[in-house]
Amino acid sequence: EIVMTQSPATLSVSPGERATLSCRASQSVSTKLAWYQQKPGQPPRLLIYAASTRATGVPARFSGSGSGTEFTLTLSSLQSEDVAVYYCQEYNKWPSITFGQGTRLEIK
Amino acid sequence: QVQLVQSGAEVKKPGASVIVSCTGSGYMFSAYYIHWVRQAPGQGLEWMGLIDPIDGSATYAQNFQGRVSMTTDMSTNTVYMELSSLTFEDTAVFYCARGEGGIYYGRFDRWGPGTLVAVSS
Repeated sequence: EIVMTQSPATLSVSPGERATLSCRASQSVSTKLAWYQQKPGQPPRLLIYAASTRATGVPARFSGSGSGTEFTLTLSSLQSEDVAVYYCQEYNKWPSITFGQGTRLEIK
Repeated sequence: QVQLVQSGAEVKKPGASVIVSCTGSGYMFSAYYIHWVRQAPGQGLEWMGLIDPIDGSATYAQNFQGRVSMTTDMSTNTVYMELSSLTFEDTAVFYCARGEGGIYYGRFDRWGPGTLVAVSS
């Protein structure tokens, strides 16, 4: 079973600054990784898939990178509407899916 | 537009079962798998399993094996998830989400709004 570990648990960033969220897999998942954003009371929203491909309608300030076991989600310039919990998700071995525990992103 | 609509909130007693439905519209229902994800209050996302609406074949996560059952009704574009032997720890919001097959099978591009299941004595 693959374990996905996200860090930090909570991240506080000033408006307009860069936010960097990390996700580590316990074994290689190639680039079979997605990122989701979840705001309170809402379902998750797909941001990134295949480690670095933005989903339809996702602003360009969101970018993903990495492969193997180390992945990063970067928000280039934090805006107030970006306050949310962010989850990484691996989908390397059909049909199994594993989510990370989430990173809470706050405005400083 | 693409939508997944879920059934309403439920309150169940310990030991009971619950059935949550998920109805798709605005797309070819048979072309996507439906996944179920559990989220306990204040907690993260936990994948429960998936079903192929075409033939009803389902795969369940190990944590839910023996307690979950997913079925499909193609005449109404609806998938059902039944969870049995409920405990207080099953109090959660249950989401359905659609996913493709193939190399992007984990790309959940549409989610239902969620169904709250509360287990209470």
